[in-house]
Amino acid sequence: QSALTQPRSVSGSPGQSVTISCTGTSSDVGAYTYVSWYQQDPGKVPKLMIYDVSKRPSGVPDRFSGSKSGNTASLTISGLQAEDEADFYCCSYAGSNSYVFGTGTKVTVV
Amino acid sequence: EVQLLESGGGLVQPGGSLRLSCAASGFNFRREPMSWVRQAPGKGLEWVSVISGSGDSTYYADSVKGRFTISRDNSKNTLYFQMNTLRVEDTAIYYCAKEGTGRFLEWGQGTLVTVSS
Repeated sequence: QSALTQPRSVSGSPGQSVTISCTGTSSDVGAYTYVSWYQQDPGKVPKLMIYDVSKRPSGVPDRFSGSKSGNTASLTISGLQAEDEADFYCCSYAGSNSYVFGTGTKVTVV
Repeated sequence: EVQLLESGGGLVQPGGSLRLSCAASGFNFRREPMSWVRQAPGKGLEWVSVISGSGDSTYYADSVKGRFTISRDNSKNTLYFQMNTLRVEDTAIYYCAKEGTGRFLEWGQGTLVTVSS
């Protein structure tokens, strides 16, 4: 399984919106609604931000939203805040009880 | 509160073995599938293995299949990862994660495995 493709970095000013893409194939992202997103602060543990493409766990701000079209999933952060600066990873179920993560995107608040 | 505490990491030579443990608390351990996810230094996340709640079913990424074995002891609320024939490229932080359907709900703090001569 090849890693899902994400942009290496995205940036935005406070208050702006940024979108991170996550491109897979018809065998993973395109085949299932089990796409999740994780935020990882430097030296910290990944935190679930979005699951089932667009659902937010309790406690995750509604500034974070997810969507999917075909083989590409997206995470949008609206109203960007300084605390959102982190690495973000997408993940998709890939069938046969396996998962594949994305390459990771560094979000910078400029 | 869900807690996952990994242990067992360390420095090992190529070709060597290591067994990781993950002590779980705060949830009904025996009912939940559990995964190992690793992260090489400065790199991204990689799912490596999952085990069903009963322990009857196990699955592996191709990168570790045949070398690593996931298991669990539900009487001790503990997840294990036996890693044999270790390679330099297995160097990573290994996280145990509580799995929900299609997602990783809770993560441990991770344990660092370094494979080097």
